[in-house]
Amino acid sequence: GDSVTQTEGLVTLTKGLPVMLNCTYQTTYSPFLFWYVQHLNEAPKLLLKSSTDNKRTEHQGFYATLHKSSSSFHLQKSSVQLSDSALYFCALSGGTGGYKVVFGSGTRLLVSP
Amino acid sequence: GGIITQTPKFLIGQEGQKLTLKCQQNFNHDTMYWYRQDSGKGLRLIYYSITENDLQKGDLSEGYDASREKKSSFSLTVTSAQKNEMAVFLCASSILGDTQYFGPGTRLLVL
Repeated sequence: GDSVTQTEGLVTLTKGLPVMLNCTYQTTYSPFLFWYVQHLNEAPKLLLKSSTDNKRTEHQGFYATLHKSSSSFHLQKSSVQLSDSALYFCALSGGTGGYKVVFGSGTRLLVSP
Repeated sequence: GGIITQTPKFLIGQEGQKLTLKCQQNFNHDTMYWYRQDSGKGLRLIYYSITENDLQKGDLSEGYDASREKKSSFSLTVTSAQKNEMAVFLCASSILGDTQYFGPGTRLLVL
C-alpha cells in the first residue's frame, strides 16, 4: 500500500533560521501531496498542497516542491518564527487507496527565541 | 465557507461502555473521515466514507463501528471502551481526496 515517511520526529530551531522538514512517499499512482499544520490544542489545517511535478507551491512563507523522480515533498521556510512552533504532517491521497488519505507520523517544530 | 461540528467535545466513559461520537459538516462534501490522535502523535484513520451509506475501513477499524446515514453526518461508535484509554477523535471532510477540513475534535477519557 501507499506510505508517507517523515524522518524527523522533533526539530528545534532558533528564531530566524531556515528549516526543512522531510517528506518522502511511496505509491504506484500519481498522487496529491499535502502539508498540514496543527498548533497546540487546535485541529490540523492545510498549509499547502501539490500534484504538479517540479512546481514550487507557497503559502504563509512556507514552500515545497513535489519531485516525482525522488518521491519527495519537503517543506521549507527561510526564516522561522516563534508562531511556527507546531506539529507538521505530510499526507498523500489519490494513490492506490483512492480517496483514502495516508498521513506521515508528523514532525514537531519547536522554535525558540 | 463551511464548518464541521463534533459532539460531544468531551466524553468520559466507563470500561466496556459503548460510546458514540457525532460529526456534522455543511460543506456539502461527499467524503468524510474519522481519525484517532493520541497525545502529540500522528493521525490514524479509523473509517472513511466516500458518499452517503458508504463505509471503508481504515487501519484502526477494529473496536469501532461507523455510520453514514446522511451526506452531512458521520458517526463513530467505540464498541467497548478500554480502561485508561485517552485520545482525541478528529472528523474531517473533503471533496473526494482533496483538501481535508477538520473538526475541533472529541476528547475521550475512559475511567
